[in-house]
Amino acid sequence: EVQLVESGGGLVQPGGSLRLSCAASGFTFNNYAMNWVRQAPGKGLEWVSTISGSGGTSNYADSVKGRFTISRDNSKNTLYLRMNSLRAEDTAVYYCAMGASGYVYYWGQGTLVTVSS
Amino acid sequence: EIVMTQSPATLSVSPGERATLSCRASQSVSSNLAWYQQKPGQAPRLLIYGASTRATDIPARFSGSGSGTEFTLTISSLQSEDFAVYYCQQCNNWLYTFGQGTKLEIK
Repeated sequence: EVQLVESGGGLVQPGGSLRLSCAASGFTFNNYAMNWVRQAPGKGLEWVSTISGSGGTSNYADSVKGRFTISRDNSKNTLYLRMNSLRAEDTAVYYCAMGASGYVYYWGQGTLVTVSS
Repeated sequence: EIVMTQSPATLSVSPGERATLSCRASQSVSSNLAWYQQKPGQAPRLLIYGASTRATDIPARFSGSGSGTEFTLTISSLQSEDFAVYYCQQCNNWLYTFGQGTKLEIK
């Protein structure tokens, strides 16, 4: 059974930093691209970032480019999202998501990030 | 960035009836389109990928069609568990944008 478990969310002040983690199990981790998708309270889904199975390629939404960094540790089956220079508009539930060719086959339950003073 | 536009924003349909949801891309995405269902308090669930292929364990009453810039999700006979928010997503390039969602509610 595929499981994706996010952690690391919480309350952070504007301009602060946070690192999210996603522990993956139930599939061959390094065979799949991984994604972060977020959802602001009461709003729709927003794709944030994708990293290839090897970790050699990554892409970002314009809204987070230069502030967020996606990475993975295939030896630990773990995905990360380092978030710097956080803004109020980054407040959202962040989902870890596994898939291929952009399609998301499995989602975690999400971790809430709140950016507020 | 490819902009995905869904219509209508809210659709009211009676159980047992057919629902038709639309998604339009600002430029061609070929058949690289997915549909997701999201219920309150839950993560989304993949319904359709490749514009028309049902994901694992998705009932046959869900069908997808279209290519290029115009796509449709059809639910042939609505069940109570189908009332939710539906999102389309283009996967034609690395910027995997979502539509804003269509809320399917009980009439």
